[in-house]
Amino acid sequence: EIVLTQSPGTLSLSPGERATLSCRASQSVSSSYLGWYQQKPGQAPRLLIYGAFSRATGIPDRFSGSGSGTDFTLTISRLESEDFAVYYCQQYGGSSTWTFGQGTKVEFK
Amino acid sequence: QVQLVQSGAEVKKPGASVKVSCKASGYTFTAYYVHWVRQAPGQGLEWMGIINPGGGTTSYAQKFQGRVTMTRDTSTSTIYMELKSLRSEDTAVYYCARAWVEGDPNWLDPWGQGTLVTVSS
Repeated sequence: EIVLTQSPGTLSLSPGERATLSCRASQSVSSSYLGWYQQKPGQAPRLLIYGAFSRATGIPDRFSGSGSGTDFTLTISRLESEDFAVYYCQQYGGSSTWTFGQGTKVEFK
Repeated sequence: QVQLVQSGAEVKKPGASVKVSCKASGYTFTAYYVHWVRQAPGQGLEWMGIINPGGGTTSYAQKFQGRVTMTRDTSTSTIYMELKSLRSEDTAVYYCARAWVEGDPNWLDPWGQGTLVTVSS
């Protein structure tokens, strides 16, 4: 079973700053199946990044994904007020199962 | 536009079952996988399972094997998730989410609005 561990648990930043979120897999995984989601309070999640690198439709280019093997990163180049939210990584776990990381909260400093 | 509309909130007693519906519209129902994900209060996302509405095949997280059943009704474009033997730890918001790409199960978007299931004696 693949376990995804996200760090840090909480990131305290100011608007305009750069956010770097990490997602580490318990074993090497294919970047083709790695996704990132954003969830705001009281809302359903939405897809930001798929295939580790590609932005979903309508996602601003300040969001970017990178990584391979066991280490993946979501970067928000310049935080805007609407970016303060919880972010989850997700990966195909094999045998037709999927798994999420525990999430990273990006909060106002 | 693509929409997933879920049934309303439920309150159940321990040991009971709950069946949540997810009505799809705006796309070819049988062409896209649908996942179920739940979120306990203040907690993260937990993947529960997936159904292929075309053939009805399913796959469930090991944690829910034997307690969850996902079905579909192609005549009404509706997906159902039934969870049995409810316990207090099952109190959560349950989401259905369509796979983003036709025929590819790997990314989830859009999502339904969520259904709060409360398990309490």
